[in-house]
Amino acid sequence: EPEVTQTPSHQVTQMGQEVILRCVPISNHLYFYWYRQILGQKVEFLVSFYNNEISEKSEIFDDQFSVERPDGSNFTLKIRSTKLEDSAMYFCASSGRGSRSYNEQFFGPGTRLTVL
Amino acid sequence: GENVEQHPSTLSVQEGDSAVIKCTYSDSASNYFPWYKQELGKRPQLIIDIRSNVGEKKDQRIAVTLNKTAKHFSLHITETQPEDSAVYFCAASMAGSSNTGKLIFGQGTTLQVKP
Repeated sequence: EPEVTQTPSHQVTQMGQEVILRCVPISNHLYFYWYRQILGQKVEFLVSFYNNEISEKSEIFDDQFSVERPDGSNFTLKIRSTKLEDSAMYFCASSGRGSRSYNEQFFGPGTRLTVL
Repeated sequence: GENVEQHPSTLSVQEGDSAVIKCTYSDSASNYFPWYKQELGKRPQLIIDIRSNVGEKKDQRIAVTLNKTAKHFSLHITETQPEDSAVYFCAASMAGSSNTGKLIFGQGTTLQVKP
């Protein structure tokens, strides 16, 4: 069964540094998402992406965040200047044609970002 | 704004007993309600979902009920087993071609099933 993959599994960075989190969604999916989960808290929506553009973003997704689908397979989340409060698990998800349920979102294994 | 409230935050049951987790959503336009199970350090995995045109859905030992009028939906797990121990998240979404499908999650319920 196809799965969403994410790299790296764990990223440690210094405050103020840029990080890029990478995701490979399921190949025939059309909708892509980033969520984050601060340790012990709920999963929070960051951004959705469809047809090569952002379709919706949350208040968390400020000017320090950007997303890109550079080559038709990868889907990246960039944080330009990381802050301590960006430390969290970041999940990529995808959904769309070919899913058991069209709206079912499949989650990747996550990238744990630690900002020191 | 959109919000999903989930209760209880922790639930401990004896193996074989039933477990019920309840959620309330704020946006009446929500029409898709998935439930995810998350084991420690793992990704959320969909276990069951329900759409607003259905009042109840069952899949073996798990079932979900939806009350659109009250904006409540619940997860029911029967004959619980130790491997059901995990964090369970409810979520609400507006599905459809004009919507983004983003999921708004509840706070999560840590279910412990004691052998």
